[in-house]
Amino acid sequence: GAVVSQHPSRVICKSGTSVKIECRSLDFQATTMFWYRQFPKQSLMLMATSNEGSKATYEQGVEKDKFLINHASLTLSTLTVTSAHPEDSSFYICSARDLGGQNTEAFFGQGTRLTVV
Amino acid sequence: AQSVTQLDSQVPVFEEAPVELRCNYSSSVSVYLFWYVQYPNQGLQLLLKYLSGSTLVKSINGFEAEFNKSQTSFHLRKPSVHISDTAEYFCAVSEGNTGKLIFGQGTTLQVKP
Repeated sequence: GAVVSQHPSRVICKSGTSVKIECRSLDFQATTMFWYRQFPKQSLMLMATSNEGSKATYEQGVEKDKFLINHASLTLSTLTVTSAHPEDSSFYICSARDLGGQNTEAFFGQGTRLTVV
Repeated sequence: AQSVTQLDSQVPVFEEAPVELRCNYSSSVSVYLFWYVQYPNQGLQLLLKYLSGSTLVKSINGFEAEFNKSQTSFHLRKPSVHISDTAEYFCAVSEGNTGKLIFGQGTTLQVKP
């Protein structure tokens, strides 16, 4: 299957700083990537849909100025958590859809554990 | 709007016993259905999917799920579980060909020796 690489896998940052998370499709092109957030012992909640070359589409309740998404190429999307606070601590996971795939399967990255102290 | 309900938050089962993880969905249009498995501090791995055709789909490691349109269900089953199957399992639905997934709450499968 296709590979999606997410970096870093873990990050600890101080409150008030910004953190950037990268999501790369390694062996396929993805016009669309998705960012999810997962709190401990809970399900994944879709935060936004990242579209190559255009603005991201955010889900209701997600602050677009706090969670900046950039999808500058067909293989890379980044999520920047700006002015992070302890309540932003969570597991962030991206997924990417294979542009050339025959079905709707989206491949997931390994996730990023963000801890804001 | 779509939604996915996994009725059991935790399912404890003994090794080699059968297991069923339940999933029900609601949607006004045709959907694609998925089961994902997540091991601690890792991303999601696709277990199996239903897109069209045969309503019974199988994975390479013995899991299977059956799409039941009338009951709007996509329950996951395995006739004999292993310790290594201990993980979190998520049912998900995609509305059409978008790649955007709506997840259920997840079910923790705990396989005991």
